[in-house]
Amino acid sequence: AQSVAQPEDQVNVAEGNPLTVKCTYSVSGNPYLFWYVQYPNRGLQFLLKYITGDNLVKGSYGFEAEFNKSQTSFHLKKPSALVSDSALYFCAVRDGYNFNKFYFGSGTKLNVKP
Amino acid sequence: EPEVTQTPSHQVTQMGQEVILRCVPISNHLYFYWYRQILGQKVEFLVSFYNNEISEKSEIFDDQFSVERPDGSNFTLKIRSTKLEDSAMYFCASTLTGTGEVQPQHFGDGTRLSIL
Repeated sequence: AQSVAQPEDQVNVAEGNPLTVKCTYSVSGNPYLFWYVQYPNRGLQFLLKYITGDNLVKGSYGFEAEFNKSQTSFHLKKPSALVSDSALYFCAVRDGYNFNKFYFGSGTKLNVKP
Repeated sequence: EPEVTQTPSHQVTQMGQEVILRCVPISNHLYFYWYRQILGQKVEFLVSFYNNEISEKSEIFDDQFSVERPDGSNFTLKIRSTKLEDSAMYFCASTLTGTGEVQPQHFGDGTRLSIL
């Protein structure tokens, strides 16, 4: 079965420090992985995706994510957090066979303190 | 930048009534999606739609639900005989392509559905 797990409901980090938001996945076939961010009362906004190629993927707003096939993980990272990064972050995976079906994690609330 | 728009932003409906949630996808996009997010829970896939028919649907998307693209711009989700547990935020999304190049989905801001 296809699924995504975000083990942390909340991540707290001080501004200027590096941040990591964790995601692990389970999918049949090739994994197509995504990160989205959600600000209050808004829809999800695309940050980055992994399809194939380099395991380190760079995306919007200075975020990057590292694909690790052996650990089935796709952790979101940023070298230096900003207060404005505080939001809800969702990891998602596309179904390996049903290409128009997607699975989202439960979300991780990122709090960046000044 | 073009956006996916959803109306209304908040819908309050009596249990048992029918409700229609409306979405205008980005104009040149071809694949359309509905998701549901119950308060505090994960975003759940409901259905995808392409070429005027359902492409994929989840186990949540039962006979109570239907989708339609009544004209060239709107994409609607109808819930017949609503239940209390249908209360959630409903998101519409669209992508330019589907099975080919993997494009990210563009989401609307959602409709909060409250069933009384």
